[in-house]
Amino acid sequence: NAGVMQNPRHLVRRRGQEARLRCSPMKGHSHVYWYRQLPEEGLKFMVYLQKENIIDESGMPKERFSAEFPKEGPSILRIQQVVRGDSAAYFCASSPPGASSSGNTIYFGEGSWLTVV
Amino acid sequence: TQLLEQSPQFLSIQEGENLTVYCNSSSVFSSLQWYRQEPGEGPVLLVTVVTGGEVKKLKRLTFQFGDARKDSSLHITAAQPGDTGLYLCAGTRGYSTLTFGKGTMLLVSP
Repeated sequence: NAGVMQNPRHLVRRRGQEARLRCSPMKGHSHVYWYRQLPEEGLKFMVYLQKENIIDESGMPKERFSAEFPKEGPSILRIQQVVRGDSAAYFCASSPPGASSSGNTIYFGEGSWLTVV
Repeated sequence: TQLLEQSPQFLSIQEGENLTVYCNSSSVFSSLQWYRQEPGEGPVLLVTVVTGGEVKKLKRLTFQFGDARKDSSLHITAAQPGDTGLYLCAGTRGYSTLTFGKGTMLLVSP
């Protein structure tokens, strides 16, 4: 997984606080994806971004969650007014430009574990 | 509804045994990928298969993509404790993002 950097690796927030998770994609990659993994569940797609654009946010909860990938700097997944149900591992992944239907290979970071107390 | 069903959910075997895990769907995928995830870590890509009937080998691991591109299998020969982990399959349909199965948790005991 060399290159996809996520921080913080672990984050504890009280109910009602905000959580910000950051992701720097692999060098040369311009596509970023965020996934959430709950205990006993598979990875669930949340959002797909390219620089300054949200391409697909069909997996994002309608409220409290937002994501951005600015021209400069890392991608940010922001969760406002966290609740206990937001406790999960959040994974960022990246892929190079020119994604095609013949295999959209993406590479994952090591994840950010959010615990809401 | 789970688009990709993986079986078995859990598998506990002894070192040296062979095993096969499955990834099935009623949908056709343009490509399918297998990942291994260890506790506290992110998924690591093992292989991508794109052609129906394709077989790929990675040392003791053999991956097969079904002829109809709806299913895949992962066979491990002579499993070792280092193979322990969560094995995830994920598929792409056209330009869509990856859809994951829930995974097979494999435990290989010495």
